[in-house]
Amino acid sequence: KAGVTQTPRYLIKTRGQQVTLSCSPISGHRSVSWYQQTPGQGLQFLFEYFSETQRNKGNFPGRFSGRQFSNSRSEMNVSTLELGDSALYLCASSLKWDRLGEQYFGPGTRLTVT
Amino acid sequence: EDQVTQSPEALRLQEGESSSLNCSYTVSGLRGLFWYRQDPGKGPEFLFTLYSAGEEKEKERLKATLTKKESFLHITAPKPEDSATYLCAVQASRDSWGKFQFGAGTQVVVTP
Repeated sequence: KAGVTQTPRYLIKTRGQQVTLSCSPISGHRSVSWYQQTPGQGLQFLFEYFSETQRNKGNFPGRFSGRQFSNSRSEMNVSTLELGDSALYLCASSLKWDRLGEQYFGPGTRLTVT
Repeated sequence: EDQVTQSPEALRLQEGESSSLNCSYTVSGLRGLFWYRQDPGKGPEFLFTLYSAGEEKEKERLKATLTKKESFLHITAPKPEDSATYLCAVQASRDSWGKFQFGAGTQVVVTP
């Protein structure tokens, strides 16, 4: 059974540009969450989608946005990139609401902003 | 504001030397506390979910326990393959299922 896949794995962008990251959850999983991981702040929650609806959003500026498609695949977009956006962006999927905590993470996309 | 604090930040163990990691938390209405393991260059891997004080979970050399204010992850007779960063996370009952608040992690290195 394939795990959570994220593309691309690595990205280098220039300040002011925008970027789109993609996440394909495990087949059958309908919940997708996104996290930002940095050495200084650790793992921080960005947003969560279920059945194409955003159910929760973390404390990030509006430059960070996301969406989920009918096949549960999800994308996140960061506009007007800043140097501080350099981070590992992780996507996680889960199957059931009652399997609390059993989120399966992808390998992440390493974004570097120069 | 919810807070999760893990200690120590780093831990170096000899193979077979048992130890414990601590996760203290402040959350209004705990739905669950979770432990994950993260290897370099990989996403976190789920280990345990604990729901209420007094609960314990075990998996191989790992045992997680929960009190009203903190959780411990005990590593018994660790092996080099137990080297990883161990992350603790909490979820408040007011939040949706996919939102976790993570601690900064404890980096564990087990030497032969």
